[in-house]
Amino acid sequence: DTGVSQDPRHKITKRGQNVTFRCDPISEHNRLYWYRQTLGQGPEFLTYFQNEAQLEKSRLLSDRFSAERPKGSFSTLEIQRTEQGDSAMYLCASSLLPGQGHNEQFFGPGTRLTVL
Amino acid sequence: KQEVTQIPAALSVPEGENLVLNCSFTDSAIYNLQWFRQDPGKGLTSLLLIQSSQREQTSGRLNASLDKSSGRSTLYIAASQPGDSATYLCAVSRNYQLIWGAGTKLIIKP
Repeated sequence: DTGVSQDPRHKITKRGQNVTFRCDPISEHNRLYWYRQTLGQGPEFLTYFQNEAQLEKSRLLSDRFSAERPKGSFSTLEIQRTEQGDSAMYLCASSLLPGQGHNEQFFGPGTRLTVL
Repeated sequence: KQEVTQIPAALSVPEGENLVLNCSFTDSAIYNLQWFRQDPGKGLTSLLLIQSSQREQTSGRLNASLDKSSGRSTLYIAASQPGDSATYLCAVSRNYQLIWGAGTKLIIKP
């Protein structure tokens, strides 16, 4: 399977715990994006990387959130001291650069986080 | 600030009917527009992408149109099937970020 993959698919944690999610993009894609989606809403942009550089962060990304893409391949999203309001689906997407492929974003299956 | 609206929020039609889903956006300075499908509890599947310079795209029974001047896009589904039941989301792109509507939940009744 050469699509975007995410791990884990589901995560249940207690409030105050730290969690880390992983995303593996399509191999030749330079850009990698993180979005968050709550029930009944469209996704909201969190951050994106071009290769290993994190180029933009939404103000939704509080200090408790950190994302990395150390070698320009897979990415991790860590949430520290989780709160119940962090419960959501976390979606990862990847794309080529705009001049290479119309910036079409391809999404993974998502990680559903439930904070108790 | 770009805002994307999808109407209706939910739609239920009998199998076999043709239908249209609507998407509107407030800022016409977009790079492209994508239509996605999302099944319950699952990720997003890209259906069609329309470049800002294009007017429409077709894939099988799906046809998407784009009118930037009026800030509207439509997704036309021909001969609907129960397997088309899902939430359909549109998203507009400017540079790196997709800005999304809340989706239309579609139910096709057998």
